[in-house]
Amino acid sequence: AQSVTQLDSQVPVFEEAPVELRCNYSSSVSVYLFWYVQYPNQGLQLLLKYLSGSTLVKGINGFEAEFNKSQTSFHLRKPSVHISDTAEYFCAVSGKAAGNKLTFGGGTRVLVKP
Amino acid sequence: KAGVTQTPRYLIKTRGQQVTLSCSPISGHRSVSWYQQTPGQGLQFLFEYFSETQRNKGNFPGRFSGRQFSNSRSEMNVSTLELGDSALYLCASSWDRTAYEQYFGPGTRLTVT
Repeated sequence: AQSVTQLDSQVPVFEEAPVELRCNYSSSVSVYLFWYVQYPNQGLQLLLKYLSGSTLVKGINGFEAEFNKSQTSFHLRKPSVHISDTAEYFCAVSGKAAGNKLTFGGGTRVLVKP
Repeated sequence: KAGVTQTPRYLIKTRGQQVTLSCSPISGHRSVSWYQQTPGQGLQFLFEYFSETQRNKGNFPGRFSGRQFSNSRSEMNVSTLELGDSALYLCASSWDRTAYEQYFGPGTRLTVT
């Protein structure tokens, strides 16, 4: 079975400061990894995904993530956050045999302060 | 291209009643998945439909069911509602059965009183 752990439930950060959201997964098979963002009263929006190839993945809105197979991690980073990045961020895992089933972490709430 | 739409957006029901939620996927998408989001359990996979067939199912009781129509629209039904069914129900669509790119709708907020 697959599982995802997001180590921080809340991350306060000042505007223009960098942020890193941590994600660790467990799976016995090859995985696909995703980060989604959820703004208040909205659905989920895909930020970026790792399917294969380069371990550094760039996504929308200036976010990037690095896949580390040995540490089973997929941490999300942004070098300079904006007030508009205030949202909840979810790490998710899937695999070839899972079809469209995503297993999500518990989420990290990012609060950007002016 | 229009996004995933879910109706209704908000719903209040009483314990013991049943409810039907609807999801219209992006045009051309053939796979629809459903998720339940609650503060306590987070985001949990309910089921996936592709070509009118349920392809995958999460760990939910039989009170939760769904179906998909020939135009790929999907409905989920919850019978004999319990207080714990209060949640945001999210629908996601994708072109096929790979999870490479799923698009989520805004969700239906169900409150059970």
